[in-house]
Amino acid sequence: QVQLVESGGGVVQPGRSLRLSCTASGITFSYYGMHWVRQAPGKGLEWVAAIWSDGSKKFYADSLKGRFTISRDNSKNRLYLQMNSLRVEDTGVYYCARRDRVLIDYWGQGTLVTVSS
Amino acid sequence: SYVLTQPPSVSVAPGKTASITCGGDNIGDKSVHWYQQKSGQAPVLVILYDSDRPSGIPERVSGSNSGNTATLTISGVEAGDEADYYCQLWDSTSDHWVFGGGTKLTVL
Repeated sequence: QVQLVESGGGVVQPGRSLRLSCTASGITFSYYGMHWVRQAPGKGLEWVAAIWSDGSKKFYADSLKGRFTISRDNSKNRLYLQMNSLRVEDTGVYYCARRDRVLIDYWGQGTLVTVSS
Repeated sequence: SYVLTQPPSVSVAPGKTASITCGGDNIGDKSVHWYQQKSGQAPVLVILYDSDRPSGIPERVSGSNSGNTATLTISGVEAGDEADYYCQLWDSTSDHWVFGGGTKLTVL
């Protein structure tokens, strides 16, 4: 059974940094590309970033303007999202999700990030 | 970058058929996937590659894609189908995954 469990969310002040983690189980993590997708309160899904199975390629939404970095540690079955220079508009639930070629086939339950002074 | 347009809301009576559209420039040339998100839950894949169903998704859920519109169709709508639905595709020109704005399906 595929399980993706996010952690690291919380309340942070604007301009500060936060690192999210996602721990995968029930899969051979190193075989799969992964995504981060976020959802602002009451809004729709927004794709944030993707990383290839071996970490060799990374892709980001244009709106992030270089503030976020996706990475992974296949030895620990973990995916990360380093978020810098956080803004109020970055508030939302951040989902870790498994990539299956051009779609997403499994999602975690999400971790809430609140950016507020 | 590529834009997907969905109606904000669709309402349907129980037992009737709901159609949720997803518009995009020549979207029929691309593969479209659909996700269902119930209140307070993570999204779930319900249609892949325009019209395929993952295991566990009932046959009354179907999809099509042609021209500038992809459509998710749910026949014999039940109260449990009430959710937000999102279309998604991969934009090969930008290597971006794109979501539509989502459609709230209300069962009357």
